[in-house]
Amino acid sequence: GAGVSQSPSNKVTEKGKDVELRCDPISGHTALYWYRQRLGQGLEFLIYFQGNSAPDKSGLPSDRFSAERTGESVSTLTIQRTQQEDSAVYLCASSPRQGAGGYTFGSGTRLTVV
Amino acid sequence: KNEVEQSPQNLTAQEGEFITINCSYSVGISALHWLQQHPGGGIVSLFMLSSGKKKHGRLIATINIQEKHSSLHITASHPRDSAVYICAVSPHSGTYKYIFGTGTRLKVLA
Repeated sequence: GAGVSQSPSNKVTEKGKDVELRCDPISGHTALYWYRQRLGQGLEFLIYFQGNSAPDKSGLPSDRFSAERTGESVSTLTIQRTQQEDSAVYLCASSPRQGAGGYTFGSGTRLTVV
Repeated sequence: KNEVEQSPQNLTAQEGEFITINCSYSVGISALHWLQQHPGGGIVSLFMLSSGKKKHGRLIATINIQEKHSSLHITASHPRDSAVYICAVSPHSGTYKYIFGTGTRLKVLA
């Protein structure tokens, strides 16, 4: 597609439920990043995928968070047993390759855990 | 103290004014990004800088590596420039673990 597409745009879930967030990067972008932005705070790095290399998961805040990416296409971020502190905007970005610029963000998924 | 500091945190300007947003950082970097975040969360990458100055339309970004400082200037500001402007640095060569500032909220009044 023309840009980075994220779905859903908004998600309200009950505490304890699992959620899946989807990111569809720009075609041909090998690098894909997930970030989280809590209310009033800066962006926090969560996870990075580069092609078929092992992802860097060092930013994931707990083992309730996981992410997958099939090749150089869609990625899903899964949060299990959601907690209220998981409420945030989850942003996905992609770039042609790491460090190349051309860094494009999706419009994010606003997650609210009630 | 945050590794990336932006000032001001909030800025209100009249249409047509020249605007400057500052970013100071305390780590060695290989690149610095200026991002624009619209209401609703969408983020656009405005510039990536590693030295000097870049210009795109009414936007100008400069960086001084020795002073660990960057500025984003908006000339002839317009209400559509109203957004949050975020500075992000890449602390080591090739790393993607950008460190983000908390942003500058700009409101341009007609």
